[in-house]
Amino acid sequence: QQQVKQSPQSLIVQKGGISIINCAYENTAFDYFPWYQQFPGKGPALLIAIRPDVSEKKEGRFTISFNKSAKQFSLHIMDSQPGDSATYFCAALRSNDYKLSFGAGTTVTVRA
Amino acid sequence: DAGITQSPRHKVTETGTPVTLRCHQTENHRYMYWYRQDPGHGLRLIHYSYGVKDTDKGEVSDGYSVSRSKTEDFLLTLESATSSQTSVYFCAISESTRNPGELFFGEGSRLTVL
Repeated sequence: QQQVKQSPQSLIVQKGGISIINCAYENTAFDYFPWYQQFPGKGPALLIAIRPDVSEKKEGRFTISFNKSAKQFSLHIMDSQPGDSATYFCAALRSNDYKLSFGAGTTVTVRA
Repeated sequence: DAGITQSPRHKVTETGTPVTLRCHQTENHRYMYWYRQDPGHGLRLIHYSYGVKDTDKGEVSDGYSVSRSKTEDFLLTLESATSSQTSVYFCAISESTRNPGELFFGEGSRLTVL
């Protein structure tokens, strides 16, 4: 049973467009929410992360929005570029046991 | 890149045979993890370690065992491989005291069980 539910499974966006990936969780003990980016044949790498006391965090073209009451968070990729084509995973962590739970992943394809 | 080496990177084996995957790190990080990645399931935690000889189960631990006799090495063993264990296995490390949830992943080991 997936502790973090992620959607959509895949999306295609034109260069310059906005990619939006959504995640939801049930366990209110989660207190850290990272996003990972994975290119084919490689391991995932941390992209950006947020704590539940913050509603939004932006790093370059990547923004996390967090809604604590709804137990949802999302990743927005602004001005999407072909180099952003990858699989993106949301995740959630309980700091007291350091076990990171991942969503099922979203494959993003940016068309030039 | 974090100093994580997984071996072997590719392996084909037959049902019922034992398999050991090795993860070696040069970062002296305390936490080490084994995940498996399957389409539609993302990454699922198999086992993790929070120190030498200290390990705990993840969400999909059945059929797997682990050992950590040195800080730098974390072994994942399939005692009797089954076709359902065909997957890509990722090792990850973390020094969680500074950045919890920041895991550094290896390049993966692709296992095929025939």
